[in-house]
Amino acid sequence: NAGVTQTPKFRVLKTGQSMTLLCAQDMNHEYMYWYRQDPGMGLRLIHYSVGEGTTAKGEVPDGYNVSRLKKQNFLLGLESAAPSQTSVYFCASTHGARAGGAETQYFGPGTRLLVL
Amino acid sequence: SQQGEEDPQALSIQEGENATMNCSYKTSINNLQWYRQNSGRGLVHLILIRSNEREKHSGRLRVTLDTSKKSSSLLITASRAADTASYFCASMNTGFQKLVFGTGTRLLVSP
Repeated sequence: NAGVTQTPKFRVLKTGQSMTLLCAQDMNHEYMYWYRQDPGMGLRLIHYSVGEGTTAKGEVPDGYNVSRLKKQNFLLGLESAAPSQTSVYFCASTHGARAGGAETQYFGPGTRLLVL
Repeated sequence: SQQGEEDPQALSIQEGENATMNCSYKTSINNLQWYRQNSGRGLVHLILIRSNEREKHSGRLRVTLDTSKKSSSLLITASRAADTASYFCASMNTGFQKLVFGTGTRLLVSP
C-alpha cells in the first residue's frame, strides 16, 4: 500500500514549456486535490475532483488544467509554464463525504517545480 | 483570500516546554483539522475536531475550537526535538469538499 505518490519529484522548465504532474492513490479514495505551497502562504487549492470524470476549480486555478479519467489518478497540467508557477505541488486524497463527513486528507510527498 | 491565519508564524522553545499555536478561519465549518509538515515532506494529519466539539485530546496534543470567534488552538505538551516541524490548521467547509489551510506555524524545539 503506497498511499499517495507523485511523479516527478523535481522538474525544471523553461517559460512556455508544458508538463503534466501525475498523482496516484491506491486507497480507493473518491476525492483528490492539487495544492501549491509557496513560502509564507500555506497550501492553496488549485483544482479538485469529487469522483472519476469530475473536476472543479479551487482558489488558484488559472494556468492549470486537470483530468480524472481513472479513479486512482489525478493529473495536473501546465500548458505554458510561467515563473510564477515555481512552487511545490502537493496532491492529496480522501474518502469523501460518504465516509461520514469527517475527512482527513492523505498527502503525497510533493513535486518541486522550477520555471526559469 | 480564503486562507486562514496562524500565529505565531514561528515559535522557538526548549525541550520539555509546551507549545501553543493559534488559528483563525473565515467561514462556517464542519470540522477543523491540524496537520504537521516536516521540512521537504508532505503533510501528515494530526487531529480533527468537529464544529460541535470544544476540546479534544490525542496523546500530547490538545486542540480547542471556538466557533463564535472562528478560532482554534493546538497545544503540544512536553515538547521534544522531534516535534520540530511546521504546523497547519485546515478548516473543512460545510459542503465536506474542501479544506482551507492556514499559513502555518514553524516550531523549533531545541534539545
